[in-house]
Amino acid sequence: ETGVTQSPTHLIKTRGQQVTLRCSSQSGHNTVSWYQQALGQGPQFIFQYYREEENGRGNFPPRFSGLQFPNYSSELNVNALELDDSALYLCASSSGQFSYNEQFFGPGTRLTVL
Amino acid sequence: AQSVTQLGSHVSVSEGALVLLRCNYSSSVPPYLFWYVQYPNQGLQLLLKYTTGATLVKGINGFEAEFKKSETSFHLTKPSAHMSDAAEYFCAVSDRGSYIPTFGRGTSLIVHP
Repeated sequence: ETGVTQSPTHLIKTRGQQVTLRCSSQSGHNTVSWYQQALGQGPQFIFQYYREEENGRGNFPPRFSGLQFPNYSSELNVNALELDDSALYLCASSSGQFSYNEQFFGPGTRLTVL
Repeated sequence: AQSVTQLGSHVSVSEGALVLLRCNYSSSVPPYLFWYVQYPNQGLQLLLKYTTGATLVKGINGFEAEFKKSETSFHLTKPSAHMSDAAEYFCAVSDRGSYIPTFGRGTSLIVHP
């Protein structure tokens, strides 16, 4: 059974650019959640996708957008990058949309915005 | 909105000593409660969770936590620390029926030989 994978591992962008991060969910999981983890902080919920539909969103602006594909893999897109977007971006997959379903996290993508 | 407080950004213990990591939440209605561990350069791993039923929850790696409604707490304990327990620990809380967990700021556990 393959776990949650994310690509790329590290990424460096400049302010104003756009970035796409990718996540492959664990086999059998239909839900993907994305989190932003700033240095020294806990993860902050960005949004969740359940069966290809956005199913909940945290306090993030619309320039954070996402997509879930029929195979339940997912993308996180961030437009007009700002310096404060520098963080570790984590995705987690689960077998259901509710928070009591165990989430399995990927290793994250470290984004640096210069 | 839920909030969660983890007391102490760093906790230092000797190998073999008791580990106690504190977590308090804000809701007046019992939420779902979680503890996660994060090793360097890795994602989070669920240690244990409380959703309903027995208030003492046993997790992986010898950790356990007790839900105390009167104290709005969910502290994590382990009787005897191992060097391999050194990591960042996060408490998370979620309203029942919600999709969205709220994480605390984390506690770094340091284990001395």
